[in-house]
Amino acid sequence: DAGVIQSPRHEVTEMGQEVTLRCKPISGHDYLFWYRQTMMRGLELLIYFNNNVPIDDSGMPEDRFSAKMPNASFSTLKIQPSEPRDSAVYFCASSPGTGEAFFGQGTRLTVV
Amino acid sequence: KQEVTQIPAALSVPEGENLVLNCSFTDSAIYNLQWFRQDPGKGLTSLLLIQSSQREQTSGRLNASLDKSSGRSTLYIAASQPGDSATYLCAVRPNDSWGKLQFGAGTQVVVTP
Repeated sequence: DAGVIQSPRHEVTEMGQEVTLRCKPISGHDYLFWYRQTMMRGLELLIYFNNNVPIDDSGMPEDRFSAKMPNASFSTLKIQPSEPRDSAVYFCASSPGTGEAFFGQGTRLTVV
Repeated sequence: KQEVTQIPAALSVPEGENLVLNCSFTDSAIYNLQWFRQDPGKGLTSLLLIQSSQREQTSGRLNASLDKSSGRSTLYIAASQPGDSATYLCAVRPNDSWGKLQFGAGTQVVVTP
């Protein structure tokens, strides 16, 4: 398996624009996580899915953030409208049940 | 609320020395604990996963121990090499919330030749 695949790897956008981050989890993994990493706050869990169903989105910072998982092989994290303080590295991860979690390479988002 | 702490925040050792990285957590009701490595500008690479029923896990030069009752885990890296330079993070998975992998802030390691 190619691992967790995220796209794009880098995204630079202007404040107010919509941003969509994409993730393909490892086949067979039934948990999918979205994390955000910043120097100030470290790794923060935004939302996680189990069998394509959102279980806990208490980490989503504001209504501007939304995440979907339409099927077992694809998830999106959308920010609309984006703000400079959203600049961070966004990671997607997946795991089989309570097993080992595997992370993607991340998307570095810069909002100017 | 589970708190995960890693001390020290940074560590520099000469090549060949053994590395000892510490991770502590406040709530012992965990399902498992996982150690990761992160290189600058890269994603997280899983190193070891220890289930709550286990005391330790080994992979090559890496050995991780878990003392759930005292809320501690230690990652040992034997005979360090410059290629071991990276940030090491531990994460716990709580019993009551399997999805919430809770991370420490990490220990930044530099191994000098």
